[in-house]
Amino acid sequence: QKEVEQDPGPLSVPEGAIVSLNCTYSNSAFQYFMWYRQYSRKGPELLMYTYSSGNKEDGRFTAQVDKSSKYISLFIRDSQPSDSATYLCAMSDSSNTGKLIFGQGTTLQVKP
Amino acid sequence: DAGITQSPRHKVTETGTPVTLRCHQTENHRYMYWYRQDPGHGLRLIHYSYGVKDTDKGEVSDGYSVSRSKTEDFLLTLESATSSQTSVYFCAISGTSGRALEQFFGPGTRLTVL
Repeated sequence: QKEVEQDPGPLSVPEGAIVSLNCTYSNSAFQYFMWYRQYSRKGPELLMYTYSSGNKEDGRFTAQVDKSSKYISLFIRDSQPSDSATYLCAMSDSSNTGKLIFGQGTTLQVKP
Repeated sequence: DAGITQSPRHKVTETGTPVTLRCHQTENHRYMYWYRQDPGHGLRLIHYSYGVKDTDKGEVSDGYSVSRSKTEDFLLTLESATSSQTSVYFCAISGTSGRALEQFFGPGTRLTVL
C-alpha cells in the first residue's frame, strides 16, 4: 500500500464548477501538506502549503487538512479552463530535509 | 522556472550506456533534489543535496549516483542505463532549512532507454 493515495482521474467539470481534489495517507507522522499544479510537459509548481490541521485559503483555492482522518483536500471555486492540469498532493514529516512523498496526481479538465 | 535549467531536455540512449543529467540553478539555493515521474507513481525522490558535497539517498536511489561540486550544479548519473529508468526526471531547489519543502522545479528531462 502506498503511503499517499490519490485518485488519478481524469476529472472533467464544466467551467464555473467547484472542484474537490483529495488525498489520503497512512503515515501519522506527516505534518506538512502541499498541493502542486503541473501543466502538461512542465515542472510542478507549488500552489498551497499547510502545516498540521485546518484550512488555508488563497484566492479561489482552499486547502483542508484533517489529520484525524488522514485526509487532505483542495477545493477550487469558480473553476476556469486555465485550471486544467494535474494536481499533486505532497507530504512530509519534517520541514528541514525537503523529503516529500507525492501522490500520483489527479488530472483535471475544465471545459468551457 | 525559478532560475533552474536542466540539460539535456530530451535524450534517447541504449541499455548499458552511462548517462549524466545536469541541473543548474542561478538562485544560490542550498537544497537540490532529483525526482523521477512515472505514470501511476507520481514524483519519487531519487537523491538530494543539502550543500556542496553533501548528498543523501531518496526512496528510489538504486542505479543512480549524484555529485555536487558547486552550489549551482547537481548531476545525476545512471552508471549503466536500463529500460526501467525510462522516465521524466525533474530537478528541484529550495532555499533554507525550515523552508526546504517549498521546492521549485525545473522543466524536466525526458529520458528514453531502449
